[in-house]
Amino acid sequence: DAGVTQSPTHLIKTRGQQVTLRCSPKSGHDTVSWYQQALGQGPQFIFQYYEEEERQRGNFPDRFSGHQYPNYSSELNVNALLLGDSALYLCASSWGARGGEKLFFGSGTQLSVL
Amino acid sequence: AQKVTQAQTEISVVEKEDVTLDCVYETRDTTYYLFWYKQPPSGELVFLIRRNSFDEQNEISGRYSWNFQKSTSSFNFTITASQVVDSAVYFCALSEAASGTYKYIFGTGTRLKVLA
Repeated sequence: DAGVTQSPTHLIKTRGQQVTLRCSPKSGHDTVSWYQQALGQGPQFIFQYYEEEERQRGNFPDRFSGHQYPNYSSELNVNALLLGDSALYLCASSWGARGGEKLFFGSGTQLSVL
Repeated sequence: AQKVTQAQTEISVVEKEDVTLDCVYETRDTTYYLFWYKQPPSGELVFLIRRNSFDEQNEISGRYSWNFQKSTSSFNFTITASQVVDSAVYFCALSEAASGTYKYIFGTGTRLKVLA
């Protein structure tokens, strides 16, 4: 039973570029959440996708957008990259879009913006 | 307001010592969930425990135990007889189930170093 998989594992971009990160949820899960984890900090909620729609969004600008496909996989897109976007981006999956569910996390994508 | 505070930034212990990681939370909801996750160097957050706001029973799982006290808004985590493999960053998190929010609020984490 595959867990949450994310790709790529590492990425280096320059300021102003655009990036797409990908996530496949754990088998049987239909909800995907994205978190940003800056160095030395806890994960910060970006948004959650359920039934191919964004259900809730954290305090992130519109440069951060996402998508969920019918097979429940998801993408996180970041436009006009800033140095401050350098972080570990974590995808978490769960079953059902409600609070309190146990989240299963992938190993993340380490994004470096130069 | 939702908030999770882990005041201990880093703790170092010698193997076989007991160690307690502190977590204090703030919420206005009466129904909420608290979690502990472990983050090894690989980056993946590993689920350790979930506790809902109506269940204040302490829990023990092997060398791990959790002390949930609503009166002090604390959910502390104790590792007994620590081992080098316990070295990781540990996060406490809060989810408010009643307010229709789906986000989890994480603390800033406590880095545990267990020395051989």
